[in-house]
Formats: sequence, C-alpha cells, structure tokens
Amino acid sequence: KNEVEQSPQNLTAQEGEFITINCSYSVGISALHWLQQHPGGGIVSLFMLSSGKKKHGRLIATINIQEKHSSLHITASHPRDSAVYICAVLRRGNQFYFGTGTSLTVIP
Amino acid sequence: EPEVTQTPSHQVTQMGQEVILRCVPISNHLYFYWYRQILGQKVEFLVSFYNNEISEKSEIFDDQFSVERPDGSNFTLKIRSTKLEDSAMYFCASSGTSGRAVDEQYFGPGTRLTVT
Repeated sequence: KNEVEQSPQNLTAQEGEFITINCSYSVGISALHWLQQHPGGGIVSLFMLSSGKKKHGRLIATINIQEKHSSLHITASHPRDSAVYICAVLRRGNQFYFGTGTSLTVIP
Repeated sequence: EPEVTQTPSHQVTQMGQEVILRCVPISNHLYFYWYRQILGQKVEFLVSFYNNEISEKSEIFDDQFSVERPDGSNFTLKIRSTKLEDSAMYFCASSGTSGRAVDEQYFGPGTRLTVT
C-alpha cells in the first residue's frame, strides 16, 4: 500500500488551461513537498508546506492537514510546465515517502 | 546561486564491485539525503544524515550501504557489493540552515548507476 497517492497519473492539457494535481496521504506528517522532475531527470523543489497555502508565480499549493490532502495548481499552463510532478511527505522522524508522480504534458 | 553537485554523472560497474557516489551539498546546509529512482519507478528515500550521523534510514538502506561525510564538504554513498537491482539514478539533496529538517530541499542532478 502506498502511503502517498497522487492523481491523476497522467494529464494532458492545452496551453492556458488551469491544472490541478492531487495528493492524498495516509500517515501523520510534519511537512509535504511538491517536486518537479524534468524529462532529463533533474528534480526541483517547488514548495514545502505544513499548513495553508503557498503561491509562487503561476503555481499554488494548498494543504489540508485534517483531510490529509494537498493540491498543486498551475494557472495559465505553458508547454514548459511539462514535467512529472511529485508529492513527497516528511513523516515525523525525518522519513520521506514519495508519490508515484503525475506526468503532465501541456500542448501548445 | 549555490547548488548541490554530484559526481560522477554516470557510473558503470560490474556486479559485486564497490562503488562510491559523491555529493557536495550546499555549504551552509545541515541535513543531507540520498534517494534512488529505479528507471520508470518512483523516487525512494534511502537515508538522511545530520550532525555527522544517520538520522533516519529506510528498509532499502541495509548493510550493503553506508554514508559518510569525510571532510566537511563531501557527502558520499558507498554500495559495498553491487547487485543488478542497484541500477538506478541516485540523487543527493541537502536542506536546513536553521537546524530544522522541514526546510526546502535542494537536489543534485543525480548519478546514474548501471550494474552489469
């Protein structure tokens, strides 16, 4: 059983569309990371959050601790947003659990 | 901008050989991590390291693996007797200027390990 579930697994969107990627987890956590993995394999941390909402440019991340759920939103999507988006949770005790990722393709 | 670096970018080794993967974390960071990603699969946590000792490790991180910070700048992952299933991309990451684990992590570009 995966401690972290993401949906959808694959997502294709037209340029300009609003995108939502969801992450649900089943364990107690101290923080949640959203990561972006580019086709070449490199990983970039987008957000780290433990409550509420964070915004960076066209990206917004929210977390609901009570419901054990987080969402990543991309507004005005662009082909350069095409990547795999990964949710990872930090358990108390410093152990990380990763989701399987959501593969996003934005078509011009 | 400071970044995490890893060497080599690609390592090919024969089954049973020892390999050392090297990482140079961001200089003022306090927490260091190793992850692996088998081709086509999700990223998996291996180990975290703080204050010169392992703070957490996963069940993957068995006696075959060890980590070291030999000189205050490098952070190494040693795999003692490689197996075919160790073939993966290995990522190093660092975080934490404040002593808290829950800080944003910065990832290195990865080392692709191929065991033949």
